[in-house]
Amino acid sequence: DIQMTQSPSSLSASVGDRVTITCRASQSISRSLNWYQQKPGKAPNLLIYAASTLQSGVPSRFSGSGSGADFTLTINSLQPEDSATYYCQQSYVTPTFGRGTKVEIK
Amino acid sequence: EVQLVESGGSLVQPGGSLRLSCAASGFPFSDHYVDWVRQAPGKGLEWVARIRDKGNSHSTEYASSVKGRFTISRDDSKKSVDLQMNSLKTEDTAVYYCARGGDYGSYFDLWGRGTLVTVSS
Repeated sequence: DIQMTQSPSSLSASVGDRVTITCRASQSISRSLNWYQQKPGKAPNLLIYAASTLQSGVPSRFSGSGSGADFTLTINSLQPEDSATYYCQQSYVTPTFGRGTKVEIK
Repeated sequence: EVQLVESGGSLVQPGGSLRLSCAASGFPFSDHYVDWVRQAPGKGLEWVARIRDKGNSHSTEYASSVKGRFTISRDDSKKSVDLQMNSLKTEDTAVYYCARGGDYGSYFDLWGRGTLVTVSS
């Protein structure tokens, strides 16, 4: 299985800050990387697919980049409603998820 | 409305069996892969199983943690996917989500609300 390593595991930032979450695969996965947001008690919600394509309806402050084994999710101008846990997931082979990054608002 | 709705979760003893169902509506179900993803209490997401569309012979895949114990199946006429879970272990305790695989399973673009399975004596 391909292992996905996310960092940091948690972070605290202020409204308006720029937040960056990284995800590293244990091998090259081309651009087969997706990002999800999950709020407590809710199902995950797709934010970004194929490393950098914004899912319909997702605010443009979310963006993704990377290829190969290293990927980044960026939230520009953090909003209170962005408080959530974020997961990366590779779809290069049998799906695997990162362990998540919990984003809190200061 | 485009949605997935899971059902069948409950409390079951270790070694027991349970069958989960996922009902789809509002989209061409037969064209899509469907996966099950679970989340143990306070933990992250774990992919469990996949069933592909008719064009891919309804082929299946399983996580190593459930292979040989869980079976995924689908009925396109009823727009539903089932997950038969046998020989349940305490570590199978989780919320089980079904998810639609967009672009031949390249991403999960639609999720159900989940159903809770608790394995405990």
